[in-house]
Amino acid sequence: EVQLVESGGGLVQPGGSLRLSCTASGFTFSSYWMSWVRQSPGRGLEWVANIKHDGSEKNYVDFVKGRFTISRDNAKNSLYLQMNSLRAEDTAVYYCATLASSSWGNWGQGTLVTVSS
Amino acid sequence: DIVMTQSPLSLPVTLGQPASISCRSSQSLVHSDGNTYLSWFQQRPGQSPRRLIYRVSKRDSGVPDRFSGSGSGTDFTLQISRVEAEDIGLYYCMQGTRWPMFTFGQGTKLEIK
Repeated sequence: EVQLVESGGGLVQPGGSLRLSCTASGFTFSSYWMSWVRQSPGRGLEWVANIKHDGSEKNYVDFVKGRFTISRDNAKNSLYLQMNSLRAEDTAVYYCATLASSSWGNWGQGTLVTVSS
Repeated sequence: DIVMTQSPLSLPVTLGQPASISCRSSQSLVHSDGNTYLSWFQQRPGQSPRRLIYRVSKRDSGVPDRFSGSGSGTDFTLQISRVEAEDIGLYYCMQGTRWPMFTFGQGTKLEIK
């Protein structure tokens, strides 16, 4: 059974940093592109970033470029999202998901990030 | 960016009756490879999104056959042949044609009358 478990969310002040992790099991992690997708009441579902199987290619939505960094460790079956210079509008539940055929077939349970003073 | 517009945003339905959700894209979703990368996701209350349909009409494993997807170009539809209580929640369309700029619709809330 495919499992994706996110962690690392929490309360952070504006301008602060947070690192999210996603641990995968039940499939060959190193064969999949992976993504971070977020959801907030005001902005709905938003794609945030993708990373290729081997980490050689990364894509970001414009509003996180220069602030967020996606990475992975295939030896640990883990996906990461380093978030810097956080803003109130980054408040959301962050999901990791497997990316195949330009869509997300498996999702984690999400981790809540709250940016507030 | 491609804008995805869903309608209606709220859909009250009677159990056992059909339901239909429309999704329109601001540009054609036909990819240069000939495929159309339009997906539908269901999000039950308190749960993560779950994909139901990908590439317009391909049903994911385990998805009941009462769910079906159709459409082409810029107009797409998710149909539920007979709504069951477990179907309540939010439904989203998503385009993956304009890689990597994926975009979602606003969501449609399906509720029981």
